[in-house]
Amino acid sequence: AQSVSQHNHHVILSEAASLELGCNYSYGGTVNLFWYVQYPGQHLQLLLKYFSGDPLVKGIKGFEAEFIKSKFSFNLRKPSVQWSDTAEYFCAVINQGGKLIFGQGTELSVKP
Amino acid sequence: GAVVSQHPSRVICKSGTSVKIECRSLDFQATTMFWYRQFPKQSLMLMATSNEGSKATYEQGVEKDKFLINHASLTLSTLTVTSAHPEDSSFYICSARAGGGSYNEQFFGPGTRLTVL
Repeated sequence: AQSVSQHNHHVILSEAASLELGCNYSYGGTVNLFWYVQYPGQHLQLLLKYFSGDPLVKGIKGFEAEFIKSKFSFNLRKPSVQWSDTAEYFCAVINQGGKLIFGQGTELSVKP
Repeated sequence: GAVVSQHPSRVICKSGTSVKIECRSLDFQATTMFWYRQFPKQSLMLMATSNEGSKATYEQGVEKDKFLINHASLTLSTLTVTSAHPEDSSFYICSARAGGGSYNEQFFGPGTRLTVL
């Protein structure tokens, strides 16, 4: 069965620091990958997605992610974080049954 | 983007009672709706998939008689937690997807916090 693993449970950064959140998936075939963000008290929102094509995907709010097939990874990056980026971040993959499988989530705290 | 609402946002009930949670797609028709459960500091776990007009498909380990799902229209799905117990306390999140393609985007509701005393 497909699975998604996020290595960092809680990341604490200062404003303007660079961010990279790790995500690895288990399936070796064609994958469709997502990053979602959940701001405090709000619903899940799609940050970006990869289906095919350019492995470097740009999303909303300055986020990007790179699909590296050889490493089974889809890490999320942002060059300079802001206090407003404080949230929970979830990596997800669509499995063969068409269902979203989520990683454990990474809590990002940005200190002003 | 598309909007999905859930009602209520939080509910507290006594053990043994049943609780109904509504999930509505406000500005699009949702062919498929999904129900997830999220424990504190953990990921979202898919409970079931519901398609309008047909029976829901439950994930392994989810009791269909305990978590009743009805997808009566293209804009409404309900989850009823029957005879709730404290271990059912959790955060329940629904999502809705327009169209039948698996890769169409899912839009998530804000979640319902259920506390069973």
